[in-house]
Amino acid sequence: KNEVEQSPQNLTAQEGEFITINCSYSVGISALHWLQQHPGGGIVSLFMLSSGKKKHGRLIATINIQEKHSSLHITASHPRDSAVYICAVSGTSYGKLTFGQGTILTVHP
Amino acid sequence: DAGITQSPRYKITETGRQVTLMCHQTWSHSYMFWYRQDLGHGLRLIYYSAAADITDKGEVPDGYVVSRSKTENFPLTLESATRSQTSVYFCASRTAYSGANVLTFGAGSRLTVL
Repeated sequence: KNEVEQSPQNLTAQEGEFITINCSYSVGISALHWLQQHPGGGIVSLFMLSSGKKKHGRLIATINIQEKHSSLHITASHPRDSAVYICAVSGTSYGKLTFGQGTILTVHP
Repeated sequence: DAGITQSPRYKITETGRQVTLMCHQTWSHSYMFWYRQDLGHGLRLIYYSAAADITDKGEVPDGYVVSRSKTENFPLTLESATRSQTSVYFCASRTAYSGANVLTFGAGSRLTVL
């Protein structure tokens, strides 16, 4: 069993829909990261969370430390949100990350 | 240019050849990392470095060598490339400040070993 599990692996939505991607982890962590990778593109850090909730534009990330679970929500999804979303956890101070397998999101117009 | 740059962005080589992927960052970040990304495996840590002249192995170090003689550079060398090393390689860096746990990634280097 992987230390970081994401669901779903693939997600297809229509423009405007509310989207949720889930991440569960099995180890103690100092922080959880949500990353975005567009096809053929680099990796961008969206959020770093150690507790609670963060919001940036249409993106919201939450974390429940007790349940070892995090969610990434996208409100009013748009085709440009189509990307791979990766959950990663860091358990040490130097930022070494353990990654989930990623969720492939496709938003159709 | 400010940021983290990788070169080459694309490389095709043959089995047995030596290949070096370069990574350069302009922030003087203490920590630097090399990851490889493969279908079915996600991102995996190859090597990391906490400072100049300090390096350590990650999850999949076999077949790779790194060095860090200067803070800003962290080259990754495949001493004798194999087909299993065909992958996309990402370099990343972060500051030593414990409150800033965000990694910044390079654009990636796509390596094909024939």
